[in-house]
Amino acid sequence: GENVEQHPSTLSVQEGDSAVIKCTYSDSASNYFPWYKQELGKRPQLIIDIRSNVGEKKDQRIAVTLNKTAKHFSLHITETQPEDSAVYFCAVRDRTSYDKVIFGPGTSLSVIP
Amino acid sequence: GAGVSQSPSNKVTEKGKDVELRCDPISGHTALYWYRQSLGQGLEFLIYFQGNSAPDKSGLPSDRFSAERTGGSVSTLTIQRTQQEDSAVYLCASSLAISQGNEQFFGPGTRLTVL
Repeated sequence: GENVEQHPSTLSVQEGDSAVIKCTYSDSASNYFPWYKQELGKRPQLIIDIRSNVGEKKDQRIAVTLNKTAKHFSLHITETQPEDSAVYFCAVRDRTSYDKVIFGPGTSLSVIP
Repeated sequence: GAGVSQSPSNKVTEKGKDVELRCDPISGHTALYWYRQSLGQGLEFLIYFQGNSAPDKSGLPSDRFSAERTGGSVSTLTIQRTQQEDSAVYLCASSLAISQGNEQFFGPGTRLTVL
């Protein structure tokens, strides 16, 4: 089955700086890669996703890049703000297991004002 | 429209008791997931229902855990003979069929405390 790793586990940046979180996966057949944000005490919510037929996707201050050959994808947040502080989870849809979605262990991002 | 709902929001039980957690997915969503999230931890996959296919139970931690989905809608996660290590937030999520969309919508979770 699919194995998803995520780094770093914690990340602290100054407000206005950029933050990058990287995930690696094991199954080359995987074709859908979402990122979820979970604020303290709240449920996870989708913030951006990418399919395997594109290499990059942007939505305002966030972007995701995908390297299928190396089997890794990254979340980029520019001009970070305190409200970006949260736990971010990457995920992968496992095509070999009925399209089940598997989550990475999460990255706790702190944006220091 | 209504999102994913879960009940109860909080459940406190004694060790050894059975508990049932309920999830009402968004109408029309054929995929339903259960996850467990311990304090400060990630989303541990438990079980996945997709349409009429046999559920993927590969994440269930022991035979004390079971789940069913009646009529392709409401799902119930049952934990028998609860143990203290079962204490966690249990999250349910639903999504459209893969061919129609991919976003998982999460419910608010049930916080289970086993004394």
